[in-house]
Amino acid sequence: GAVVSQHPSWVICKSGTSVKIECRSLDFQATTMFWYRQFPKQSLMLMATSNEGSKATYEQGVEKDKFLINHASLTLSTLTVTSAHPEDSSFYICSVQRVAGVAEETQYFGPGTRLLVL
Amino acid sequence: DAKTTQPPSMDCAEGRAANLPCNHSTISGNEYVYWYRQIHSQGPQYIIHGLKNNETNEMASLIITEDRKSSTLILPHATLRDTAVYYCIVSPGDDMRFGAGTRLTVKP
Repeated sequence: GAVVSQHPSWVICKSGTSVKIECRSLDFQATTMFWYRQFPKQSLMLMATSNEGSKATYEQGVEKDKFLINHASLTLSTLTVTSAHPEDSSFYICSVQRVAGVAEETQYFGPGTRLLVL
Repeated sequence: DAKTTQPPSMDCAEGRAANLPCNHSTISGNEYVYWYRQIHSQGPQYIIHGLKNNETNEMASLIITEDRKSSTLILPHATLRDTAVYYCIVSPGDDMRFGAGTRLTVKP
């Protein structure tokens, strides 16, 4: 397996402020990381694919200027929610991808960050 | 759209085997079947994956049909802690997008 950490585990902020969430791969170097968002009683929604050293690829409907992703090293990706609003309140989860062979790509997930915007 | 379909919910008695089905009739020859689960308010957890052979690890067994159009995840002796949403995805075909999964409830 793989160990993935996220920090913080939960955060409460005021509307209009920015929040940074860190995702760390603790036991292997991950070229690719993913960011998901999950609203109550819904499945995970892929927000973006984060590749080390290059710009993230965002899913349709996800604003790249609002959700800034930085993947500056092989063990760290950050998601910054800029000018957060109450509708951004959600459970944010990252994952790292371990590639064992052609098409054999296993994801290992972080514990998630719960964001509440007041 | 996801390449997999799963029943929305299932119940299982504690101590019995839980058999969770997944249909992936459009799977391609080089795509793997992956299973993950998410216990309430936690990040998803990798369970098992396979290409065409049956697989077993300490958590579960994965049975893939010969035509690879469906698979079954087996939890041999379900416990209350196995209550979770179980996701079946095809990789890389699903491109890391999750469907609704199956909500498994293990009952005492």
